[in-house]
Amino acid sequence: GQQVMQIPQYQHVQEGEDFTTYCNSSTTLSNIQWYKQRPGGHPVFLIQLVKSGEVKKQKRLTFQFGEAKKNSSLHITATQTTDVGTYFCAENTGNQFYFGTGTSLTVIP
Amino acid sequence: KAGVTQTPRYLIKTRGQQVTLSCSPISGHRSVSWYQQTPGQGLQFLFEYFSETQRNKGNFPGRFSGRQFSNSRSEMNVSTLELGDSALYLCASGFGLTGGDGYTFGSGTRLTVV
Repeated sequence: GQQVMQIPQYQHVQEGEDFTTYCNSSTTLSNIQWYKQRPGGHPVFLIQLVKSGEVKKQKRLTFQFGEAKKNSSLHITATQTTDVGTYFCAENTGNQFYFGTGTSLTVIP
Repeated sequence: KAGVTQTPRYLIKTRGQQVTLSCSPISGHRSVSWYQQTPGQGLQFLFEYFSETQRNKGNFPGRFSGRQFSNSRSEMNVSTLELGDSALYLCASGFGLTGGDGYTFGSGTRLTVV
């Protein structure tokens, strides 16, 4: 079945440093959604990317969809302790929802 | 507006028993999908219901089933529980897998099978 791999699995950063998580697929993705799950919480929808090469920004977060629609990235500038959590990418194929393996971000104050 | 409500929050069951979990979606959302989250397997799609019909199904055995009522509330049932069924079960509501929008998740039901 479909597999969406995310790297890295874990990332520890000092507060103020930047952070990037990558989502990769061996097949062309229909779209990419990004979710954030705080420790002990539930996934919260962040954004959806649909078009090849699309870039969207939300304050310190920048989301990109690759030109070939086989990868996506989420970049956080100047991390804060409130950014702690696991970031998931997910593909909605119209028939199924495939979540990536997630990247767990720890921000050290 | 009210979010997605899942009940119960926690559940402990014995192997072989069956369990029913409930999910009330956001008002106006007709799609409810269910997910299993475990440390080993991550977030896995179970199935999606839309207007009382199961539209899509993930790769889970037939012991996992669900239904949706006319008010869009959904229930998920797991029969003959196994230890490996211990997980956080999340439901999410939205406008549908073909809707193109993100899903809103509930807080989940943490099931422990002993």
